[in-house]
Amino acid sequence: SAVISQKPSRDICQRGTSLTIQCQVDSQVTMMFWYRQQPGQSLTLIATANQGSEATYESGFVIDKFPISRPNLTFSTLTVSNMSPEDSSIYLCSVGTGGGGGYGYTFGSGTRLTVV
Amino acid sequence: AQKITQTQPGMFVQEKEAVTLDCTYDTSDPSYGLFWYKQPSSGEMIFLIYQGSYDQQNATEGRYSLNFQKARKSANLVISASQLGDSAMYFCAMRELSGNTPLVFGKGTRLSVIA
Repeated sequence: SAVISQKPSRDICQRGTSLTIQCQVDSQVTMMFWYRQQPGQSLTLIATANQGSEATYESGFVIDKFPISRPNLTFSTLTVSNMSPEDSSIYLCSVGTGGGGGYGYTFGSGTRLTVV
Repeated sequence: AQKITQTQPGMFVQEKEAVTLDCTYDTSDPSYGLFWYKQPSSGEMIFLIYQGSYDQQNATEGRYSLNFQKARKSANLVISASQLGDSAMYFCAMRELSGNTPLVFGKGTRLSVIA
């Protein structure tokens, strides 16, 4: 399965600022998925990022708040814009490589964001 | 639409005992995959086990086994010989296999192993 390097692992940010999270994959993948995990909650899909096209956002998430870039088949970024304390969460990227047990789903190590 | 239900917010188990974490699911797609992930306090998501909807046998991976009852739409995780390091959040997830679709997660179960 793929290996994902996610940065930063954690950050403490001031409200009103933005943070960009990066995910680098060691192999080419078609789809990358971005999730949010609010404190004590499960993972909620933010958007699906397909190389060469705009990301597809889930209900409740908008591009202005969570812009995503996918410049090539191994890299993606998620920006959390104009942050408020409610954005304090773990953000995770994930890929499905379509092979092996579990169809090769892999997650980045997560970005633990605290907004003060 | 897919849905995953985990009804146990928290579970306790004695070290070296077995424990079952419940998961039920709902989907209209006949082709799907079921997953279990472990999330320790560090926040990383660790893949444990996978069961495909057409797999004839229940999946096993070391101390983990998946009790797959298709008619009941349940996919319970069984951890045998619990260890202190098993204390973590456990998430059941699924995806429909038609297309490159994301995983949908249940709310999770927090497992605490007691010495």
